[in-house]
Amino acid sequence: SYVLTQPPSVSVAPGQTATITCGGNNIGAKSVHWYQQRPGQAPVLVVYGDSKRPSGIPERFSGSNSGNTATLTISRVEAGDEADYYCHVWDTSSGHSAVFGSGTQVTVL
Amino acid sequence: QVQLVQSGAEVKKPGASVKISCRTSGYTFSAYAIHWVRQAPGPGLEWLGWINAGNGVTAYSQKFQGRVTFTRDTSARIVYMELSGLRSEDTAVYFCARDFGGYCTADTCSNFDHWGQGALVTVSA
Repeated sequence: SYVLTQPPSVSVAPGQTATITCGGNNIGAKSVHWYQQRPGQAPVLVVYGDSKRPSGIPERFSGSNSGNTATLTISRVEAGDEADYYCHVWDTSSGHSAVFGSGTQVTVL
Repeated sequence: QVQLVQSGAEVKKPGASVKISCRTSGYTFSAYAIHWVRQAPGPGLEWLGWINAGNGVTAYSQKFQGRVTFTRDTSARIVYMELSGLRSEDTAVYFCARDFGGYCTADTCSNFDHWGQGALVTVSA
């Protein structure tokens, strides 16, 4: 089955840029979606189709995808960005299944 | 606005079944698929499968095939997830989530654009 690898944690100072990676075999050929999950809450879609933002998501959230790595970038980080972030793709290698990364906890210092 | 509201927490004994509901509003119910995703204690999300709310077509993760069943009540705009043969490892928060792209097919789904608030299922003797 397809495996997505994320760093367990990322720490960033307010106002700086957080970069969260999602590694997978030739992930650049897939469409990657990103979710933010604050403690005790449901996930929220923040980037879809590699780099598109749903309505209501700040421009500070951006995404890219190439080769074996997809990236979620949060610019001008705020305290409210502290959360877990998950990448998501569809795996077609054995049927058609949703695969999530293990999640990255973003801590705002 | 789009809303998905789930039923409340459940406590079950090993071997029992649990049925969770996901009541929807704010969009054309029959035009979208609903997915089920769970989160065991701690970080990590696990996908269980989907149901097309309009025609009832379903697809299940191989891991849960034979143990999970999705159904829907189109008049009430509710989707249900039933998980049988519960074991302690099934203790988790279960989320329903709408598919952004509408219907799913055997090889095409999209992302999850709206989520329910989650329902905690605790399996304990």
